[in-house]
Amino acid sequence: GAGVSQTPSNKVTEKGKYVELRCDPISGHTALYWYRQSLGQGPEFLIYFQGTGAADDSGLPNDRFFAVRPEGSVSTLKIQRTERGDSAVYLCASSGGDTYNEQFFGPGTRLTVL
Amino acid sequence: SQKIEQNSEALNIQEGKTATLTCNYTNYSPAYLQWYRQDPGRGPVFLLLIRENEKEKRKERLKVTFDTTLKQSLFHITASQPADSATYLCALYTGTASKLTFGTGTRLQVTL
Repeated sequence: GAGVSQTPSNKVTEKGKYVELRCDPISGHTALYWYRQSLGQGPEFLIYFQGTGAADDSGLPNDRFFAVRPEGSVSTLKIQRTERGDSAVYLCASSGGDTYNEQFFGPGTRLTVL
Repeated sequence: SQKIEQNSEALNIQEGKTATLTCNYTNYSPAYLQWYRQDPGRGPVFLLLIRENEKEKRKERLKVTFDTTLKQSLFHITASQPADSATYLCALYTGTASKLTFGTGTRLQVTL
């Protein structure tokens, strides 16, 4: 597709369960970012991939969060043992190779942990 | 501590007027600052990027200023329209090129 896509659009899970959120970036974009956005707040950086490698994962809140991008395209954000505080909108963005470029965001996945 | 502050209260203006939104930051020295628009239920959409050596940038009805001495950016929408109603986010590249840090956003409501 023309833009960044994310699936699912909504995910409801129970506390303690494992979830996977998928991001399909714009074709050819080497940089991929994950953010988390809570109500009334701006997006909060989680992790940045350049190609297949996680170049900066300093925003991941703890070791329950993990992300992969095995072929340098699609990325999956994985959350283990979900907690109610993980409820938020998870946004994915991609950008072209140049540093400081604009980022193109997907519509997000709304995660609700009951 | 490092902070990016945007007015959390909604800005209500009349159609045709100029809207001015403020972004203040502390304890950062960003080389680049970006503004994004976000509509409810959607991801942010890039509007403008301004570099630290640029005082002002324009794009159609949008104008951004960047004052590194005051640590402030102003975002202006001239001849505002109801379709401009949205939340506007400022964002800084802080530390490394990878990390974009966002403010909390200001909601703009343009009425007829």
